[in-house]
Amino acid sequence: GENVEQHPSTLSVQEGDSAVIKCTYSDSASNYFPWYKQELGKRPQLIIDIRSNVGEKKDQRIAVTLNKTAKHFSLHITETQPEDSAVYFCAASWDTGFQKLVFGTGTRLLVSP
Amino acid sequence: DTAVSQTPKYLVTQMGNDKSIKCEQNLGHDTMYWYKQDSKKFLKIMFSYNNKELIINETVPNRFSPKSPDKAHLNLHINSLELGDSAVYFCASSPGAGGMNTGELFFGEGSRLTVL
Repeated sequence: GENVEQHPSTLSVQEGDSAVIKCTYSDSASNYFPWYKQELGKRPQLIIDIRSNVGEKKDQRIAVTLNKTAKHFSLHITETQPEDSAVYFCAASWDTGFQKLVFGTGTRLLVSP
Repeated sequence: DTAVSQTPKYLVTQMGNDKSIKCEQNLGHDTMYWYKQDSKKFLKIMFSYNNKELIINETVPNRFSPKSPDKAHLNLHINSLELGDSAVYFCASSPGAGGMNTGELFFGEGSRLTVL
């Protein structure tokens, strides 16, 4: 089955810096890669996703890149703000219909003012 | 209006007891899920139902029994609770297969279960 590894487990940056979180997946059949943000005590929420027919996707300060050959995908946050502080999860699945999302282990991002 | 709602939000109980968590979604989605998030924040899928039919069962002990009376509801019953069952249980829904499905999972607020 699919296995998703995520690094780093914690990341501390200063406000305004960029943050990068990296994930690798094992199943070459996976074709859908979302990123979820979970604030303290709250539910995970989708922030951006990418499909295997696209190499990069951007939405304001966040972007995701995908390297299918290497089975890597990354989340990039630019101009970080304190409200970006949260746990971020990458995930992978081979089907967007009946979701069997396999999540990474999470990255706790702390943005200091 | 809450899209995916779970009850109870907090549950504290003794080992060996039986407890249930209920979930309802008003998004009209076909597919519902239970995820378990342990103390290290690992999010792992437990079950998935599509239109009341079980489609994913991820090697969860048979003390856990999901039930979906209709596609808007997915409940989780746990028998003979153990210390290791302590976790936050998240219900989620998604539109299911089809051209309009974006793949997004909509999570409930979670139910924190503490087994003493």
